[in-house]
Amino acid sequence: AQRVTQPEKLLSVFKGAPVELKCNYSYSGSPELFWYVQYSRQRLQLLLRHISRESIKGFTADLNKGETSFHLKKPFAQEEDSAMYYCALSGGQGAQKLVFGQGTRLTINP
Amino acid sequence: EAGVAQSPRYKIIEKRQSVAFWCNPISGHATLYWYQQILGQGPKLLIQFQNNGVVDDSQLPKDRFSAERLKGVDSTLKIQPAKLEDSAVYLCASSGQDGQSYEQYFGPGTRLTVT
Repeated sequence: AQRVTQPEKLLSVFKGAPVELKCNYSYSGSPELFWYVQYSRQRLQLLLRHISRESIKGFTADLNKGETSFHLKKPFAQEEDSAMYYCALSGGQGAQKLVFGQGTRLTINP
Repeated sequence: EAGVAQSPRYKIIEKRQSVAFWCNPISGHATLYWYQQILGQGPKLLIQFQNNGVVDDSQLPKDRFSAERLKGVDSTLKIQPAKLEDSAVYLCASSGQDGQSYEQYFGPGTRLTVT
């Protein structure tokens, strides 16, 4: 069964501090992992995907198949990073459904 | 380009009533998804269409939920009769092949409250 776990519902850090949002998954094949973000009063949007291996808005995420994790990291948090973050998994190539974690609400304190 | 459109944005109904939601995907996107997001949880797929055919409806409560995409463009999701536990945000998303990318683009959602 496909499952995504985000252990922290809430995460609060100070501006300029490092931030890490945890994501663990279970999937028997080779999944594709994503981070989606929802800013206040905006729609859900893709932040980054593991196959791109790129940094978006200073965020990076590395797929660790041994630990079945896909943690999202940023070395220096900014106030505009405050949002709801969802880790999601799909079954691989092609148009596949997404399985989402429950989400982590990140608050950056000034 | 215009994004995914949904209507209505908000709906309040009493239990046992019926309700319908409408979604217009991004032009040219063959795949359309309906997700249900209950407060405090991540979105959960209800049904996925490829053009006008159903790809996955394994988590759709078929005794009360139905969905269609007759011409492979717009889609409607219906609940009849509604239960209190159907209170949620209903998200529509669409995707189309852009190289190897099948990024899903989400609409603003319809917030349903069942009283």
